[in-house]
Amino acid sequence: DVHLVESGGDLVQPGGALRLSCTASGFSFSTFWMTWVRQAPGKGLEWVANTNPDGSWRFYVDSVKGRFTISRDNAKNSLFLEMTSLRAEDTAMYYCARDPFDDGGMTLDYWGQGALVTVSS
Amino acid sequence: DIQMTQSPSALSASVGDRVTITCRASQSISNQLVWYQQKPGKAPKRLIYKASTLDGGVPSRFSGSGSGTEFTLTISSLQPDDLGTYYCQQYTSQPYTFGQGTKLEIK
Repeated sequence: DVHLVESGGDLVQPGGALRLSCTASGFSFSTFWMTWVRQAPGKGLEWVANTNPDGSWRFYVDSVKGRFTISRDNAKNSLFLEMTSLRAEDTAMYYCARDPFDDGGMTLDYWGQGALVTVSS
Repeated sequence: DIQMTQSPSALSASVGDRVTITCRASQSISNQLVWYQQKPGKAPKRLIYKASTLDGGVPSRFSGSGSGTEFTLTISSLQPDDLGTYYCQQYTSQPYTFGQGTKLEIK
């Protein structure tokens, strides 16, 4: 079975930093695109960042460019999201998701349970 | 950026009803559309991709149709387990964008 487990969510002050991790199991991690999606409390879904199987390509939504970094360690079946200069509007549940890249784009077939990031003083 | 607009934003229907949710794209996305279901307190689950391809294990009462800029998700006979919020998402171009969601309640 495919499993994705996020960790690292926490309460952090504005301007602070946090690193989320996602540990994958049950599939060949190194052959899949991986994605971070977030959901602010009571709001809809927002794509944050994704990376290709070998980690050489990384893409971000404009609102996090220059502040967030997506990375992966295929030897450890792990995906990461390094977040800096955090703002109140970054408060959200952050989901790690697998992307089979069906039909040449993002179609997320498995999701983790999420990690809650709260940015507040 | 491609804007995705869902209608209605919320709906209430009875068990056995036929339910239709519409998703409109601000420009043509061919058939590069996904539908997700999110139950309260849970992560989203993919139901349909490529506008009409049903994921394995998804009940056949769910179907998707459309191309270009207008798409629909149909539940042919609503069941109690179908409550939740439904999102469409385009994958023609980055940034990949979601609709605002349609909250489905059971009467």
